[in-house]
Amino acid sequence: AQTVTQSQPEMSVQEAETVTLSCTYDTSESDYYLFWYKQPPSRQMILVIRQEAYKQQNATENRFSVNFQKAAKSFSLKISDSQLGDAAMYFCAYRRVGGSNYKLTFGKGTLLTVNP
Amino acid sequence: DAGVTQSPTHLIKTRGQHVTLRCSPISGHKSVSWYQQVLGQGPQFIFQYYEKEERGRGNFPDRFSARQFPNYSSELNVNALLLGDSALYLCASSLGLAGGPKGYEQYFGPGTRLTVT
Repeated sequence: AQTVTQSQPEMSVQEAETVTLSCTYDTSESDYYLFWYKQPPSRQMILVIRQEAYKQQNATENRFSVNFQKAAKSFSLKISDSQLGDAAMYFCAYRRVGGSNYKLTFGKGTLLTVNP
Repeated sequence: DAGVTQSPTHLIKTRGQHVTLRCSPISGHKSVSWYQQVLGQGPQFIFQYYEKEERGRGNFPDRFSARQFPNYSSELNVNALLLGDSALYLCASSLGLAGGPKGYEQYFGPGTRLTVT
């Protein structure tokens, strides 16, 4: 079974600084998708960024980028120029490729605090 | 376009009771998934439906059931509620197989907070 581990229960960053959130996963599959979701206090889970395992190039979305190390099964999220609105719970998630089951496997999350 | 909607927002039930949670997917989305998020944890997969058929089931007891209607909305039913069922229940919709490579991307609703006393 696939597992996703987020080893940092909490992180904090100063506004305008950069922070990196860690995620490792375990799978025997060779192709899969990885995601970072953001969950603010409003509870709405928002997709931040996605990575297809077959792509070697790291995904980027504006201030958000990932460092995908397939051999190490590591998928970290870097937030640049942190803003107060980035404060939220961040979840790393995994999904296998293929089939009609879209099940996401989530980590336990990292609570990010942004200090003004 | 409206996002995924869920009702009710909050719900308080007593142990042993039954509860029905509802979800309306984004227009055009044909797949709905349900997740349970216990406080302080990541969401856990419960069910996925696509074109009104169950396509996946997580490790939850038979007290949990779901269905999808012809308009692609969905209900999650939980019987004989236990204190441990208290959680945020999230619904997510996807385009499904017809959506091509991005058909798998899941868009979440705001959730239903269930409290069992």
